[in-house]
Amino acid sequence: DAKTTQPTSMDCAEGRAANLPCNHSTISGNEYVYWYRQIHSQGPQYIIHGLKNNETNEMASLIITEDRKSSTLILPHATLRDTAVYYCIVRVLTGTASKLTFGTGTRLQVTL
Amino acid sequence: DAGITQSPRHKVTETGTPVTLRCHQTENHRYMYWYRQDPGHGLRLIHYSYGVKDTDKGEVSDGYSVSRSKTEDFLLTLESATSSQTSVYFCAISVTDQPQHFGDGTRLSIL
Repeated sequence: DAKTTQPTSMDCAEGRAANLPCNHSTISGNEYVYWYRQIHSQGPQYIIHGLKNNETNEMASLIITEDRKSSTLILPHATLRDTAVYYCIVRVLTGTASKLTFGTGTRLQVTL
Repeated sequence: DAGITQSPRHKVTETGTPVTLRCHQTENHRYMYWYRQDPGHGLRLIHYSYGVKDTDKGEVSDGYSVSRSKTEDFLLTLESATSSQTSVYFCAISVTDQPQHFGDGTRLSIL
């Protein structure tokens, strides 16, 4: 699986959009981009994933650049409850067990 | 939320004692996983299962064994606990290529 690079930490004001970047310059054509988050002391929570098209669900939007070397997770209206560590993961879908490799992620702090 | 229950939620034990952690799911998902999380390391895969009695090693499997005798239960055993196995342990489930859903974790302290 391709390696990802994320900033260690970011701040965002409540009500503003939080834009979390992820670099995956060695991504291959069949690797998906997944985003998870982990709120303090809880298990990781799946947010969204995509291959090359932009994706949106009730939690967030995922923007993947045309060359697929980077992506951005967007939380459109961040709240204090969005304070968490966000993980960007790139992996191939093999049809078997999806062994995820978590790095250290980006710690997002949402403030009043 | 996915129906995943980890037990116990907290445990303190002594070096050299056996420890078993349980993960129970109500989703009938085929795949189950055990991870550990330590400061500065993110989550690391210990073992996973792709069916009843079918298991395989992850990246940090030394010192751990697993068993899955029923679809809904995945047990992680530390045969002789060491202080280096003090960690937070997470269970996860998935349906083949679907995203993983995680339990709330077990905080294990080995003195």
